[in-house]
This record gives sequence, C-alpha cells and structure tokens, in this order.
Amino acid sequence: RKEVEQDPGPFNVPEGATVAFNCTYSNSASQSFFWYRQDCRKEPKLLMSVYSSGNEDGRFTAQLNRASQYISLLIRDSKLSDSATYLCVSQRSGGYQKVTFGIGTKLQVIP
Amino acid sequence: DGGITQSPKYLFRKEGQNVTLSCEQNLNHDAMYWYRQDPGQGLRLIYYSQIVNDFQKGDIAEGYSVSREKKESFPLTVTSAQKNPTAFYLCASNELAGGKETQYFGPGTRLLVL
Repeated sequence: RKEVEQDPGPFNVPEGATVAFNCTYSNSASQSFFWYRQDCRKEPKLLMSVYSSGNEDGRFTAQLNRASQYISLLIRDSKLSDSATYLCVSQRSGGYQKVTFGIGTKLQVIP
Repeated sequence: DGGITQSPKYLFRKEGQNVTLSCEQNLNHDAMYWYRQDPGQGLRLIYYSQIVNDFQKGDIAEGYSVSREKKESFPLTVTSAQKNPTAFYLCASNELAGGKETQYFGPGTRLLVL
C-alpha cells in the first residue's frame, strides 16, 4: 500500500461547481500535510498547509481527519484557472522531515 | 528576486554520458532536495542535504551523485549508471518557520536521452 494515495482522476467539472478531493495516508506518524498545485510541465506550488483539523483560504478548504487518516481539499466556485493537478503531501520526522508525495489528482474545469 | 533556479530547462544526454543539473537558491534555506517525477508516479527523493558539506541518499539514489559545497548550491549529476534517466527533475529547499517545514520548488529540468 502506498504511503499517500490519491485518485488520479481526471475530475471534469463545470465552471462554478464545487469539487472535493480526498487523500489517504497510511503512516500514523505523519504530522503535517500539504496540498500543492502543479500545472502541466511546471513545478509544484504550495497551495495550502494543513497542520491541525483544517485550513481555509478563499475558495479553498483543506481538512484533516486523523482518526480516519485522510485529508481533503474542497474547491468552491471552480474557475477555469483551477485546472491543474493537485498533489497531496504528508510529512513526518525521521532523521529529516520525510516528505511523501501522492501521484496527484487531475482537475479539469470546463466552461 | 528570491527563489530557486534550475538550469538548464531541457537537457539531452547521450548514452554513457554524465550530465550535471544545476540548482541554486538565494532564500538562505539550509535544506535542499532533489526529486525525480515520472508520469503516473509521485515525486521520488533522490538525495537531500540538510547542511553544507553533508548529504544523504534518498529512495532512488543509484546512478546519481550530488555535492553541497555552498549553502546556495546543490548540483545533481546523472551518471551513465542511471539506465533510465528520462524524467522531470525538481530541486526543492526547505523553509523552517515556527517549527513547520515547507518545501519550495525550482522550475525543474527535463532530461531526455538521445
């Protein structure tokens, strides 16, 4: 089982819709979580950090459920510019801050 | 402008050739990382360095080498021993703020084998 699992998608949603992605992690020692956005052929860029139960930034809400070991990302009022791949990342201590990336979930917002 | 730069953007390697990818940061970050990204796979860690003159192997270090002679620079050499080097290579560095570490990435180098 992969340490961080994501549905690769693609998720095709109409503009203005609300879309949610889930990400599960297997290592209970994971302490911090992140969502990165990656555009095609570009580097990942930090979207949100999730350290406690959740975090909200404008149209984006990230939630953490430690009991069930999953993180979610909710995007409200989807824009065409939200089309990208969203990477789920877990981080835990272990000599260094071991970071594990999911394969990413592809979102396509259609007009 | 503060940030992480990688060069070149595209690199072509011939069989049996060693090539070096550059990564420079002016963010004053202590830790630097090299990842490889392949289609359908998450980023995989090649090497990391937490301080100057020290570096550690990641999950897929075979066929790669690094150096960390300066805080700002962490070059990656892809040696001829790496049999499947075609990938997107990403360099990252860590910001440590309030006990939380957040990784920031350079723009990447795309390596292709001729």
